Amino acid sequence: NAGVMQNPRHLVRRRGQEARLRCSPMKGHSHVYWYRQLPEEGLKFMVYLQKENIIDESGMPKERFSAEFPKEGPSILRIQQVVRGDSAAYFCASSPTRPGTGGSPLHFGNGTRLTVT
Amino acid sequence: AQSVTQPDIHITVSEGASLELRCNYSYGATPYLFWYVQSPGQGLQLLLKYFSGDTLVQGIKGFEAEFKRSQSSFNLRKPSVHWSDAAEYFCAVGGNRDDKIIFGKGTRLHILP
Repeated sequence: NAGVMQNPRHLVRRRGQEARLRCSPMKGHSHVYWYRQLPEEGLKFMVYLQKENIIDESGMPKERFSAEFPKEGPSILRIQQVVRGDSAAYFCASSPTRPGTGGSPLHFGNGTRLTVT
Repeated sequence: AQSVTQPDIHITVSEGASLELRCNYSYGATPYLFWYVQSPGQGLQLLLKYFSGDTLVQGIKGFEAEFKRSQSSFNLRKPSVHWSDAAEYFCAVGGNRDDKIIFGKGTRLHILP
């Protein structure tokens, strides 16, 4: 009964490269969230997706960031032309239902730590 | 807009002492409230959650939290802390008006031997 799987755990990119972060939700979960964590800033909501749909991307920067959750395969958070300010821990979380209906908690992966050099 | 405030960035308590971590929220309807714990280099683990009903909620590892609507608070408590409780603790709020779950900035708990 695997939990939320994120890979890679650590990712190093030079400025201007692309970063692709992958998240496989728990079995049976079709709702995926992405959060970004910086020291002493807590977790910042980025995007909420269901299979093949972006439900809420109000926390995503307008440029360079995109997310998808295809019918088959993991959810992907993509950061194009990375800059030093993108260095952070990125966490994925999944839920079996919409958290707004019945209050399903989120189950978190161990995160991907992105370092931009 | 929903928000969560954890007023204490760091808290230090002695092992065996009682603990209370504060959390205040803002939400325009009945909230769903959560406490998570994060150990260094790890993801977040759910400690407990409040959806409805009894305002005193029991969680894992001996933690409990009390929902006080009049104070918009959901403070986390433990009667006697252990060294292994040293970690960062996050309060979060969601609800049936939207799908976002918003987190506070966290409280880092330090335990003195």
